Amino acid sequence: NAGVMQNPRHLVRRRGQEARLRCSPMKGHSHVYWYRQLPEEGLKFMVYLQKENIIDESGMPKERFSAEFPKEGPSILRIQQVVRGDSAAYFCASSTTSGSSYNEQFFGPGTRLTVL
Amino acid sequence: AQSVTQLGSHVSVSEGALVLLRCNYSSSVPPYLFWYVQYPNQGLQLLLKYTSAATLVKGINGFEAEFKKSETSFHLTKPSAHMSDAAEYFCAVSSNDYKLSFGAGTTVTVRA
Repeated sequence: NAGVMQNPRHLVRRRGQEARLRCSPMKGHSHVYWYRQLPEEGLKFMVYLQKENIIDESGMPKERFSAEFPKEGPSILRIQQVVRGDSAAYFCASSTTSGSSYNEQFFGPGTRLTVL
Repeated sequence: AQSVTQLGSHVSVSEGALVLLRCNYSSSVPPYLFWYVQYPNQGLQLLLKYTSAATLVKGINGFEAEFKKSETSFHLTKPSAHMSDAAEYFCAVSSNDYKLSFGAGTTVTVRA
């Protein structure tokens, strides 16, 4: 019973390149959440998606960042024209039913993005 | 708005000694509180959660936490540390929605 899968685990990009982070939720989970952890800080909520829908993107930077969760395939967090400040660990979580604190979010191991 | 402060970014304990990790929260509504653990190269795993039932919450691996409204605290304890408890621990708060707000984390090392 595989948990939440994220790939790549480590990603190095040069300034101006694009970064694509993938998240496969646990089997049977249709809700995905992305969090970002900057150095020396806690995880910060970015976006909440259901299949083919963005429910809440209030934590996403207004520019260069986008997320999707297509009907088939993993959820993708895309960062265009990366800058050094985007260097962080990006965590994906998934849950079974609609967003609520009662529904445990299961976390993936994260993707460590380094921007040179 | 809600937030969490974890006191102490690093805690070192001897094997068999008490583990105490401190967490204080702020929330404009009755909070839901969580402790997560992260082992190296793994995702966050839920240790325990408080959802307004009993104030003393028991979790996995012998951990427990007590919700104290008057102190706005949710400290995590384990009576006797084991080498396998070496990990990073995160306290989180939510106001009954899906947005978890995390503390900066506390790294626990266990000395033999």
